[in-house]
Amino acid sequence: SQQGEEDPQALSIQEGENATMNCSYKTSINNLQWYRQNSGRGLVHLILIRSNEREKHSGRLRVTLDTSKKSSSLLITASRAADTASYFCATDNYGQNFVFGPGTRLSVLP
Amino acid sequence: EAGVAQSPRYKIIEKRQSVAFWCNPISGHATLYWYQQILGQGPKLLIQFQNNGVVDDSQLPKDRFSAERLKGVDSTLKIQPAKLEDSAVYLCASSPGLTNTEAFFGQGTRLTVV
Repeated sequence: SQQGEEDPQALSIQEGENATMNCSYKTSINNLQWYRQNSGRGLVHLILIRSNEREKHSGRLRVTLDTSKKSSSLLITASRAADTASYFCATDNYGQNFVFGPGTRLSVLP
Repeated sequence: EAGVAQSPRYKIIEKRQSVAFWCNPISGHATLYWYQQILGQGPKLLIQFQNNGVVDDSQLPKDRFSAERLKGVDSTLKIQPAKLEDSAVYLCASSPGLTNTEAFFGQGTRLTVV
């Protein structure tokens, strides 16, 4: 069963702009993770945020988690054409029920 | 560190035939996942192993799909007989364990059933 839902389904921005995508989930989690998938490739782990954390940074990525609203957001600052990909959130509860949402397709135009 | 290896990369079969996919996870990773990803959708968990035991196979169509992880290392996923709707990319991933779930994915096997 699907746990996470990303929003929007698709996003198109200009190079240099910021991109924000959201993830909502339904049940209790221990971790929430974001992954990137370039066309025809495997998924690459971007960042993991634990349920007791509210914000995490990694380079140009900023992730927030609001457990009261069961939602997370991924912000990519100063986007580049190479950021064009699909982005997925995944949740798990101590390794159980490790499921992905349908993803957000991001297009960064030069 | 070597990544997750999968083979074959591509496979085309006729419906009702059988097919098998192989996965070699990262050395030392206790948890192994098989996902099915249909074009334009997110990965759907088929089965999760912890060492050589099954943690979750609730979404595995057990009438036609089977998977095993012998000795808690390599894994194979089999489909017999295949249907047209099984056309998808089959992704294998591994993670260190149930408390560290950062998953590392292989490149996947693209299956086309004609």
